[in-house]
Amino acid sequence: ETVMTQSPATLSVSPGERVTLSCRASQSVNNNVAWYQHKPGQAPRLLIYAASTGATGIPARFSGSGSGTEFTLTINSLQSEDFAVYYCQHNNGWPWTFGQGTRVEIK
Amino acid sequence: VQLVESGGGVVQPGGSLRLSCAASGFNFSSYGMHWVRQAPGKGLEWLAFIQSDEKNKFYADSVKGRLTISRDDSKNTLFLQMSSLTAEDTGVYFCVKDMPVLDYWGQGALVTVSS
Repeated sequence: ETVMTQSPATLSVSPGERVTLSCRASQSVNNNVAWYQHKPGQAPRLLIYAASTGATGIPARFSGSGSGTEFTLTINSLQSEDFAVYYCQHNNGWPWTFGQGTRVEIK
Repeated sequence: VQLVESGGGVVQPGGSLRLSCAASGFNFSSYGMHWVRQAPGKGLEWLAFIQSDEKNKFYADSVKGRLTISRDDSKNTLFLQMSSLTAEDTGVYFCVKDMPVLDYWGQGALVTVSS
């Protein structure tokens, strides 16, 4: 099983700042990583897939990069609606696994 | 796309429960489907996948042998049969469409395992 490790666990950020979230895989997952946003009481939302491809309708301020074992989600100019928990997940073979999440909170 | 889970509730430890997910707005029979859960205060946990033709099913190691994913394409419905439930199975269970990433999610069904 591939373990996905996210850092940091929590980020305290002011609106308008740029945010970088990290995700490391315990073995190479090629570019088969997706990122999701999850707010309390809502269904999670797909942001990025194939490491760097934006999902339909996702604002351009969200971008992803990386391959192999190191991946990054960047949010440029954080908006108030972006405060949430973010998860990375690999789909490079079974079983799929998620990272433990990074909470982005208001500073 | 709409995914609506049902069948959640309170079940005693050791008991069984079957969740359903009614799908609409897309050609259900052409897509693989997943179940994902979130325990209280915890992160997301991928549980199971079923291929569009049911040829392949995959499970998380933590639930293998206790959870069974199935589908009825004639009714556009996905199922999750859960047995030998413990308190660690308490959480919100999401039905998710495969893209092949997790692109559309239902709102979730709450399962509480408690005596």
